[in-house]
Amino acid sequence: EVQMVESGGGLVQPGGSLRLSCAASGFTFSRFWMHWVRQVPGKGLVWVSGINGDGSSTKYADSVKGRFTISRDNAKNTLSLQMSSLRVEDTAVYYCAWDSGWHFGFWGQGTQVTVSS
Amino acid sequence: QSALTQPRSVSGSPGQSVTISCTGTSSDVGGYNYVSWYQHHPGKAPKVMIYDVSQRPSGVPDRFSGSKSGNTASLTISGLQAEDEADYYCCSYSGTYTSPWVFGGGTKVTVL
Repeated sequence: EVQMVESGGGLVQPGGSLRLSCAASGFTFSRFWMHWVRQVPGKGLVWVSGINGDGSSTKYADSVKGRFTISRDNAKNTLSLQMSSLRVEDTAVYYCAWDSGWHFGFWGQGTQVTVSS
Repeated sequence: QSALTQPRSVSGSPGQSVTISCTGTSSDVGGYNYVSWYQHHPGKAPKVMIYDVSQRPSGVPDRFSGSKSGNTASLTISGLQAEDEADYYCCSYSGTYTSPWVFGGGTKVTVL
């Protein structure tokens, strides 16, 4: 059974940092792209960042480039998102998602990030 | 403003059919057969209902079907059931380096 559990969300001041983690199980983690997708309250889903299976290729949305860093630890089946220089507009629920083949085949429950003074 | 355009809401009575459209461009929906649809009940994890335009994952009822014509993809729910009430999002691969995946703004499906 596939499971993905995010953690690390919380309340942070503008300009602050936060590190999100996603523990995955039930599939061969190291073989697949993994992504972070966020949802601003009352708004739609937005792709944030993705990383390939061995971590050699990463991609970022323009809105987070230079501020967020995606990484993975295949030995621990863990995906991470280091977020710095956080802005109020980064407030959202962040989901990790498994790219099972040109679509997001499974999602975690999400973790809330609130950026506010 | 989302990259893909969906109606904000659709509704239908139990047993009826509803169709949700998802309009993009030749750079995303029209350019690739990598359109997927996600069901999202608030507070829960989104769930893939359709991938590769019309493929249904194991476990998804055959009441859900997908199609595409030009730059517009569609999700049809036939035989609407109460548990189908949720938000639905379309998504397409776009091929660009900085936004390889684009989503629609979401459609609220209400079962009357």
